[in-house]
Amino acid sequence: DIQMTQSPSSLSASVGDRVTITCQASQDISNYLNWYQQKPGKAPKLLIYDASNLETGVPSRFSGSGSGTDFTFTISSLQPEDIATYYCQQYDNLGVTFGPGTKVDIK
Amino acid sequence: QVQLQESGPGLVKPSETLSLTCTVSGGSISSYYWSWIRQPAGKGLEWIGRIYTSGSTNYNPSLKSRVTMSVDTSKNQFSLKLSSVTAADTAVYYCARDGEVVNYGRTSYYFDYWGQGTLVTVSS
Repeated sequence: DIQMTQSPSSLSASVGDRVTITCQASQDISNYLNWYQQKPGKAPKLLIYDASNLETGVPSRFSGSGSGTDFTFTISSLQPEDIATYYCQQYDNLGVTFGPGTKVDIK
Repeated sequence: QVQLQESGPGLVKPSETLSLTCTVSGGSISSYYWSWIRQPAGKGLEWIGRIYTSGSTNYNPSLKSRVTMSVDTSKNQFSLKLSSVTAADTAVYYCARDGEVVNYGRTSYYFDYWGQGTLVTVSS
C-alpha cells in the first residue's frame, strides 16, 4: 500500500508569513492528492483536491502543487484562523492513506 | 447542503462489536462512495473503508478481517461494524462522502462532506 509522509510535523509562523508543507508518497500517485484542514474538535475540511484545485469557497491564500511523489501545500499569508493541523491524503483503487499531519500555530 | 450524522453507542466492551450508522440528509445517498474514517485522540486520520450504493466495498487491509459495511438506500443510511474491538479501537469515528470529479476520462475522489464525528470508547 502507498505510504504518505509530511514535513514538518509542526511549525510556528507569524501572521502574514508564507507557510509551506511538503507531502511525499511512497510511489507515483500522479496528482491524486488532496489536502485537508482540521481544527481542534472538528471534522477535517477539504481545501485542495487533485493536488492543485481549490475547493469552492476556500480562500485563495491556500494553494497546492506537485505530481508524482512530491507535493507542496502553501498558505501565502498566514492568518490567525489558519491555526490547525493539515493533512495530505492519497486515493487509489486499493484505498486511501493520509499523511501524519502538520500542526500549524502562530509564533 | 448535504449533511451527515453518525449515531451509535459511545461505549463498547472489549471483544464486542462496534456498530455505527451514518444518516445522510440534504441529498441522495445514491451513486456515491461513502467512507468511514477514524481518529484516536491526539493522533492522525485512518481510513477504515468505503461502500458504494450498490453495496460494493473496499476496506483498509489492516482492518479488513474485522470490518463490515452496509448501505440502506431507502433510509439514506450506511453502517459500519467493527468486530473484536480492543482499546486500540477507541477513537472518534467520522463518516464522509467520497466526492468525485471527472477530468479527461480520469475520476478523482476526495472527502467533501463529513459528519461531526462520534467518540467511541472501548472499555469494560
